[in-house]
Amino acid sequence: ELKVEQNPLFLSMQEGKNYTIYCNYSTTSDRLYWYRQDPGKSLESLFVLLSNGAVKQEGRLMASLDTKARLSTLHITAAVHDLSATYFCAVPRSGGSYIPTFGRGTSLIVHP
Amino acid sequence: GAGVSQTPSNKVTEKGKYVELRCDPISGHTALYWYRQSLGQGPEFLIYFQGTGAADDSGLPNDRFFAVRPEGSVSTLKIQRTERGDSAVYLCASSLTSSRAGANEQYFGPGTRLTVT
Repeated sequence: ELKVEQNPLFLSMQEGKNYTIYCNYSTTSDRLYWYRQDPGKSLESLFVLLSNGAVKQEGRLMASLDTKARLSTLHITAAVHDLSATYFCAVPRSGGSYIPTFGRGTSLIVHP
Repeated sequence: GAGVSQTPSNKVTEKGKYVELRCDPISGHTALYWYRQSLGQGPEFLIYFQGTGAADDSGLPNDRFFAVRPEGSVSTLKIQRTERGDSAVYLCASSLTSSRAGANEQYFGPGTRLTVT
């Protein structure tokens, strides 16, 4: 059974600081997704990582994928308050349907 | 264009009642997914449609839960004899397809918050 683990689950940081969120998964996968969820809202796609070594950047967020280590990282650079949200990684199951299994999420609060 | 829409946004029902939750996917998306999200958790897969057929319903918790997508577009999730443990946010997502060939990026609707009293 595929397990997806994120850490930390809770992250409180000051504006201007850098930090990394980790996503480990238990079975082979060739892709990984990152989503953002604001309180009371639905999930918004951030990154789709489709191959080993893939790196994508959007603003202050950068995501990478190491399929051999079964690890993805979401790096936050010079955090700002607007980044406060919950971040989920998701890994598709093997087989034909590519249904993603989600981690529990990392709740990020950025303080002024 | 229009995103995924879900109705109602909130539903409060009494234990034992029947509820229907509706999802309208992005036009042209053949794959449709239902998830359930409890507080502090990630979305939990319930059922996946490819076109009109349920391609994978392995996430449905028991036979009180059922979903249909009769014309390959709108889908309805049906819950019979609701229980307090069914209270959660029910999310719907759609994607262009669900195969190795594509990125299979899912677009989520705003969700239906179901409260069973």
